[in-house]
Amino acid sequence: NAGVTQTPKFQVLKTGQSMTLQCAQDMNHNSMYWYRQDPGMGLRLIYYSASEGTTDKGEVPNGYNVSRLNKREFSLRLESAAPSQTSVYFCASRRSEVQETQYFGPGTRLLVL
Amino acid sequence: KNEVEQSPQNLTAQEGEFITINCSYSVGISALHWLQQHPGGGIVSLFMLSSGKKKHGRLIATINIQEKHSSLHITASHPRDSAVYICAAAMGGGADGLTFGKGTHLIIQP
Repeated sequence: NAGVTQTPKFQVLKTGQSMTLQCAQDMNHNSMYWYRQDPGMGLRLIYYSASEGTTDKGEVPNGYNVSRLNKREFSLRLESAAPSQTSVYFCASRRSEVQETQYFGPGTRLLVL
Repeated sequence: KNEVEQSPQNLTAQEGEFITINCSYSVGISALHWLQQHPGGGIVSLFMLSSGKKKHGRLIATINIQEKHSSLHITASHPRDSAVYICAAAMGGGADGLTFGKGTHLIIQP
């Protein structure tokens, strides 16, 4: 039981490049989330998916797209990376829409030059 | 939009001291989460509470719904408790994620 996994752990991009951050959970959770964490700021919600086939914008969605590929996987795509997207990205999941514990992945550290 | 404020931002204490970290929020919530982020970056959920008090080992979390305030206490603190502690508010009603405080950076010196 691996919990929530994320790949890659670390990535360096040049401005304008694209990439996809992968997230998978093996806990049969319905809800999945992407957050970003920046120095001096709390984690902020980028996108979430309440269930397979649905996605919704969070607080800071601009510059990102997401795909809920199936119940297990939720990917985050940067189509044209910008230095402002340099951050640590965390994926999280929880069982259902009922307020429950969220389980976090180990994070992806992204540097955009 | 809910605002979540934590205090203090930084806290250094000696091993064995009783630690209190405070969290306040601006609008009603369905639950309040306390999380721990280790120096390596991983985030672990410590508590989720909607009323009263919860205890796990040396950690105690309380919440006062009327005052919109929660506290995390650590008894008999130990250097391994050194981490960033984050509170987060869940607004309820849907899978719309959490609103996070900026975190409290705790250092316990031997």
